[in-house]
Amino acid sequence: AQTVTQSQPEMSVQEAETVTLSCTYDTSESDYYLFWYKQPPSRQMILVIRQEAYKQQNATENRFSVNFQKAAKSFSLKISDSQLGDAAMYFCAYRILYNQGGKLIFGQGTELSVKP
Amino acid sequence: EAGVAQSPRYKIIEKRQSVAFWCNPISGHATLYWYQQILGQGPKLLIQFQNNGVVDDSQLPKDRFSAERLKGVDSTLKIQPAKLEDSAVYLCASSLRHLTGELFFGEGSRLTVL
Repeated sequence: AQTVTQSQPEMSVQEAETVTLSCTYDTSESDYYLFWYKQPPSRQMILVIRQEAYKQQNATENRFSVNFQKAAKSFSLKISDSQLGDAAMYFCAYRILYNQGGKLIFGQGTELSVKP
Repeated sequence: EAGVAQSPRYKIIEKRQSVAFWCNPISGHATLYWYQQILGQGPKLLIQFQNNGVVDDSQLPKDRFSAERLKGVDSTLKIQPAKLEDSAVYLCASSLRHLTGELFFGEGSRLTVL
């Protein structure tokens, strides 16, 4: 069965500093997508960044980038120049392609706090 | 573009009562998902619809939970009778493409069962 593990329940970063959130996953599939979602308190979940497994190049979106290690089944999120608005719950998610209806499986989440 | 709409935002009921949640996906999105998010955990898929057909309901507790998506647009998730462990946020999401499209989430419906 596919699983997603986030080993850091909580992380803290100083404003303007860089922080890395960890994620590992387990799968026997070769085609899949990986995502990081952000969930601010009492607000809707939004997509931060997406990585297609067939792409070797790591995805970047402005201050957000990933370190995708397919062989190690590792998918970490780096947030550069952290801002107060980055404080939220971050979920790593894995999406099965072509089987099981494209199910999205989430990790347990990492709560990020940003100190001014 | 309007996002995924959910109602009610908050609901408090006593155990053994029933509750229903409503979701209206983004216009044109054929795939609709209901997730359960218990406090401190990641969302867990309850049911996935493709238009008005069920794609995956393997984790839906069918003895108490039911969901429908009539006419392939909005959807209703019902719990009857509710248990204490059903206290959670129920998230609705939709996507344009069945297997690879980005999921867009609503704000969720927070259920407290006393």
